[in-house]
Amino acid sequence: EVQLVESGGGLIQPGGSLRLSCAASGFAFGSYNMNWVRQAPGQGLEWVSYIESGGGTIYYADSVKGRFTISRDNAGNSLYLQMNSLKAGDTGVYYCTTSGSKYFDSWGQGTLVTVSS
Amino acid sequence: DIQMTQSPSSLSASVGDRVTITCRASQNINRYLNWYQQKPGKAPKVLIYAASSLQSGVPSRFSGSGSGTAFTLIISSLQPEDVATYHCQQSDSMPWTFGQGTKVEIK
Repeated sequence: EVQLVESGGGLIQPGGSLRLSCAASGFAFGSYNMNWVRQAPGQGLEWVSYIESGGGTIYYADSVKGRFTISRDNAGNSLYLQMNSLKAGDTGVYYCTTSGSKYFDSWGQGTLVTVSS
Repeated sequence: DIQMTQSPSSLSASVGDRVTITCRASQNINRYLNWYQQKPGKAPKVLIYAASSLQSGVPSRFSGSGSGTAFTLIISSLQPEDVATYHCQQSDSMPWTFGQGTKVEIK
C-alpha cells in the first residue's frame, strides 16, 4: 500500500524558513516523479513544485520560484521542500504527491504551514 | 499559464440525480485533464485521468469526457458519499494548474 507521510509544518513568522519532509513507503519511490501541492485555507489547490524520479528535472510555480527548493533522497525514500523567505500567502496545507503518469495519483495527509507574526 | 475555469462553483442536488460539472481550459490541452474528489478535511484523490479514464477503484457512476478546451465530469446517480469538492487539473504543460473547485451538496 502506498503511504506518503508529510511532516515539518508549523507556525512560522514572515521571512522565516521551514523544511517539509515526506516519507514514502509501499512503492518504488526512486521510480516515481514527485510533487508538492498546497491548499490555502478555504481555497482551491495549487501545484507548487515537481521533481523527476532521478532528480534531474525540477519545476516550480512562479509564486515560489527563488524561495523554495525541492529535493529527494531516493536511498532514504524521502522528498523535501525547503521553504525560505516565507510570506503570509504561503499559509496552507502542503501535500506530497506522486505523479507517475501526469496526474497526481497518490497523496499524503498533508502538513499545515502557518505564516504569521 | 493555462487557466482552468470550473462551473458551477457549487451545486445542490438530490440523491439519485445526474450531476454535471464542466471545466474549461484557456487553451488547447488535448486530453490532459484530470478530476479529483476532496472530501471535507481529507486529501484529494484522483477520480478520472486523461479526460475519461476511470481510476482503479472509483465507482462507475463517475465518468469524464471532452478534449481540447472543454471537459465534463458526470455523476450519473448522486450518492450521499459523493458530497465533496471536485477539482479539475491540466497536465498538458507546466505549470500544472487547477480549477477553483466545485462543491457538491445533497439537497
